[in-house]
Amino acid sequence: KNEVEQSPQNLTAQEGEFITINCSYSVGISALHWLQQHPGGGIVSLFMLSSGKKKHGRLIATINIQEKHSSLHITASHPRDSAVYICAVREAGNQFYFGTGTSLTVIP
Amino acid sequence: DVKVTQSSRYLVKRTGEKVFLECVQDMDHENMFWYRQDPGLGLRLIYFSYDVKMKEKGDIPEGYSVSREKKERFSLILESASTNQTSMYLCASRAGSHGYTFGSGTRLTVV
Repeated sequence: KNEVEQSPQNLTAQEGEFITINCSYSVGISALHWLQQHPGGGIVSLFMLSSGKKKHGRLIATINIQEKHSSLHITASHPRDSAVYICAVREAGNQFYFGTGTSLTVIP
Repeated sequence: DVKVTQSSRYLVKRTGEKVFLECVQDMDHENMFWYRQDPGLGLRLIYFSYDVKMKEKGDIPEGYSVSREKKERFSLILESASTNQTSMYLCASRAGSHGYTFGSGTRLTVV
């Protein structure tokens, strides 16, 4: 049983396309994180959110607590956005659960 | 910015060797974590530590041990490396309820 499910697992897009990655979870959470992992392996935190919507540059993250669902959107995608995007949730007891990631490739 | 440094990016070891993976963070974070990442399985927690000399098992502790003698350093030890421990190992630190900061990862191959 996976507490966090992401879709799609793999995504290929043309440069400039609008991209959506989805995350559904089954536990009660205090926060949800979106992480980005580049081909070299390093992981950076993109967003931490517990309600509503956050925007940073071309990235937008939304969360619907009632539906236990979050989306990560990338507007005007670029090849440098190619990475694995990981959804992680922090349960009320501070336990973290991770999705298996969405591998995004943006083609010029 | 918080920095989490893992001592090696790539490592090749032989079966049966004792392997040390080192992780150092520079922002006085209480919490440190070791994960392994495998295709299709995502990140899985091996061990974590909430304080110096304190350690807790994660989801997959078998075959691993850890050491936290100083707050800034959290070491993962493979007592006798096996081929099924070939993986990407990621260290992370966290202050309280804030988000993670990850190291750049160590890709370990056991031959």
